[in-house]
Parts: sequence; C-alpha cells; structure tokens
Amino acid sequence: DAKTTQPNSMESNEEEPVHLPCNHSTISGTDYIHWYRQLPSQGPEYVIHGLTSNVNNRMASLAIAEDRKSSTLILHRATLRDAAVYYCILSLFGNEKLTFGTGTRLTIIP
Amino acid sequence: KAGVTQTPRYLIKTRGQQVTLSCSPISGHRSVSWYQQTPGQGLQFLFEYFSETQRNKGNFPGRFSGRQFSNSRSEMNVSTLELGDSALYLCASSPLKTPSYEQYFGPGTRLTVT
Repeated sequence: DAKTTQPNSMESNEEEPVHLPCNHSTISGTDYIHWYRQLPSQGPEYVIHGLTSNVNNRMASLAIAEDRKSSTLILHRATLRDAAVYYCILSLFGNEKLTFGTGTRLTIIP
Repeated sequence: KAGVTQTPRYLIKTRGQQVTLSCSPISGHRSVSWYQQTPGQGLQFLFEYFSETQRNKGNFPGRFSGRQFSNSRSEMNVSTLELGDSALYLCASSPLKTPSYEQYFGPGTRLTVT
C-alpha cells in the first residue's frame, strides 16, 4: 500500500481556517485520496475523497497537487467539534481496505 | 437512516476464551469491514466481506475469523484470546461494490482480555 505522511499534531484557533497537509509521494495513478477523522470515543468518520481534481463538500475541501504527490484538507471555519485525529488514506482502486496511518491530532483553541 | 450498530459495546473476557462480536450495517449496504484499534498499532484492517464472501484480509492470525450473513449482518470471532487482543473493534459498512468511496463506521466494541 502506498504510504502517507502527516504531521503528528496541529493547533488552530476556533473560527479560523485549518489546512491539514498530507504527503503521498508514491501514490499510483488509480489511488484515491481519502480523509477520515476520528472524534474522541467514536469510530472514524468519512470526510472527503478525491482522485485528481479539487473537491468540496459540506464538511471540507480537498486540494490535490497537480502531481498528486500531496494534498491538503481544508476546514474553512474550525469549530470545537472539529477537534479530532485526521487520517489521510490512499486506497487501491477497487479495494475496500483502508490503511490508516497515525494521522494528525487537531486541537482547536477557543 | 440508522447507522452501523455493533454489539456488545463492551466486553470483558479471560485469556484463552473465545469471543463473537456482531455488526449490523446500514440498511442497503452490502460490504462490511472490520478493524482493530489499539494505542500501539493504531487502526488495522482485519477483513472485508461482500455478499457473504471474504474479499480482503489483513495480516492477522487465523484466530481472527469472520462471516457475513445473507442480510449483510456480520460477525467476527476471536478464538483463544490473548492479552494483546484487548482493543476497540470497529465495523464499517459501505454501499458500493467498488471502489471504496465512503465507509461508515460503527461506535465499536471495546474488548478487554484479562
């Protein structure tokens, strides 16, 4: 499985945008980029996914570099509820298996 | 729509015993995956079932097994429990056959082996 690299932790002020980076230099052409987050004492929650183009949904935006070797999850206006561990995951095409790394622990400062 | 449900939520077992955990996917979802989460190893994929067939398997010993029923409900079984099997076991379901777009996770079963 292609590997992702994320910072261990990040902090952000409430109501400000947050940019969570992910490096995946060995990504293959058919790997999808997924982001999940895990709030305290809960199972992981799907955030967003993309292949080549930038993506937006109600939760976040995903910016994918042109060479696909990195991506950034953007939370436009962080709230306290966004405090969680964020995982950047690559999935093999047609494969349900998700290989979680250590993720980024995001702390929101009130 | 009801989410993924897992039973029981908490379980305490003794080393050497076996345990069965249950997962009910979201209605209409046909793929069910199982993950183990520990502080040391993080989230690790156990196996995935689709239409009662195991499609993917992670790197776990044969003591870990699972099955899926015709209604998509799934069970996983761990035999001859070891202390290291203490973990949060998470089940996830997804609606699509391929590829993996969104998986919906349940709250997990917290297993403690003493």
